[in-house]
Amino acid sequence: QKEVEQNSGPLSVPEGAIASLNCTYSDRGSQSFFWYRQYSGKSPELIMSIYSNGDKEDGRFTAQLNKASQYVSLLIRDSQPSDSATYLCASQSLGGSEKLVFGKGMKLTVNP
Amino acid sequence: GAGVSQTPSNKVTEKGKYVELRCDPISGHTALYWYRQSLGQGPEFLIYFQGTGAADDSGLPNDRFFAVRPEGSVSTLKIQRTERGDSAVYLCASGPGEWTEAFFGQGTRLTVV
Repeated sequence: QKEVEQNSGPLSVPEGAIASLNCTYSDRGSQSFFWYRQYSGKSPELIMSIYSNGDKEDGRFTAQLNKASQYVSLLIRDSQPSDSATYLCASQSLGGSEKLVFGKGMKLTVNP
Repeated sequence: GAGVSQTPSNKVTEKGKYVELRCDPISGHTALYWYRQSLGQGPEFLIYFQGTGAADDSGLPNDRFFAVRPEGSVSTLKIQRTERGDSAVYLCASGPGEWTEAFFGQGTRLTVV
């Protein structure tokens, strides 16, 4: 079973801090990675995609990918209470169909 | 522009009944996915369409579940003889092409009583 693993958390950080969310994947054929944010009772919202090794920055968000270690992370700088949500990591493998395989999600709470 | 639209938002049905869930993807998106999500879990893959054809239906749990996308746009997920274990939020997502990101609708919360 090809899996995406996330620490279930929860993770709690103070407002203004850096939140670090991590994800590992088992399928070496995975080529595309996505971070979704899901507020309670809402559907997942795409916040970052990353396809190449290294860092990708978008505003306060930075996605990091290391294919050799099969590891992808999301950093949120200057965390705000509005960032409090569950963050889902997903991978897409060229070896299979284009389905996205999701982790269980990590719940983040940013305390004012 | 309009996002992915799912109807109904909520559906309560009795055990053993048949239900249909509708997904209207973002205009022009060729990829369409169905997922279901239970409380505290990540979305679980059900089926993926590229155009009109089901490119991957490996996530459908059994033959009570079926999905169609006859004209390559709107899709319907059909569940026969519903069971209480089918209760979940059913999510639809669409994407602009092959090997791209996917954007989710608001989901249909299905409750089987």
